Amino acid sequence: AQTVTQSQPEMSVQEAETVTLSCTYDTSESDYYLFWYKQPPSRQMILVIRQEAYKQQNATENRFSVNFQKAAKSFSLKISDSQLGDAAMYFCAYRALNNAGNMLTFGGGTRLMVKP
Amino acid sequence: GAGVSQTPSNKVTEKGKYVELRCDPISGHTALYWYRQSLGQGPEFLIYFQGTGAADDSGLPNDRFFAVRPEGSVSTLKIQRTERGDSAVYLCASSSGLAGLSDTQYFGPGTRLTVL
Repeated sequence: AQTVTQSQPEMSVQEAETVTLSCTYDTSESDYYLFWYKQPPSRQMILVIRQEAYKQQNATENRFSVNFQKAAKSFSLKISDSQLGDAAMYFCAYRALNNAGNMLTFGGGTRLMVKP
Repeated sequence: GAGVSQTPSNKVTEKGKYVELRCDPISGHTALYWYRQSLGQGPEFLIYFQGTGAADDSGLPNDRFFAVRPEGSVSTLKIQRTERGDSAVYLCASSSGLAGLSDTQYFGPGTRLTVL
C-alpha cells in the first residue's frame, strides 16, 4: 500500500520570504501523480500544484514550485514571496496512474503560519 | 454549479441515530469520491463512484456506512447507528473521469459531523 509522510507538523515563515514543505512517499509503482492541496479554515481543499512522475521537469505555478526527486521518493513544495493568504494546512497526496479507484492517499498535513 | 457543494455544512446528532450527507458534484463530472478527515489528520478515502456504480468501496470502515449515486450526479453518504468515533469532516470530491492528470479531483467544503 502507498503511504505519504509529511514530517513537519507546523512551519512558520515571514511574509515575503520563502518556505519549503517536505513530503515523502512510498510506492512500488513507476508511474503516478503527486499533488499539493491547501486547506484553509474554510475546510475546502484547493489544488495548489500537481506533478506527473514520468516528467523530470519540476512543476511550477506562479509562486509555487516543487522539487520532485523520484529516486528519493521526495516531493517538496516551495512557496516564494509568502503572503498572509498562504496560511493554511498543506497536504501532499499521491495517486497511482493505473489504479482503477483513482483515490488520493494523503499525508498528515503541515500547518503553515505566515508572520506579518 | 461552479464547484462541488455539500449539505449540510454541519450536522450534530446523537449516538445511535441515522444521518445522511449530500454531495453535488461539478456538472458533467462522472467520478465522485468520499473522504473522511478526522481532527488533525489528512483525508482518508471511503468510496469512489464512476457514474452510478460504486467502483471502489474498499475504504468504508464497516457496514454501517453506505453511499449511493442513483442518477450519476448527486451522491448521498448514509451512516447508520452513528458512534462517537464517526465524528469527523466528510469531504466529497469530483473529477471528469478522464484518464491522466486531467482527472484531478476538486473538493467540496465538507460536512462536519459531530456525534454526541
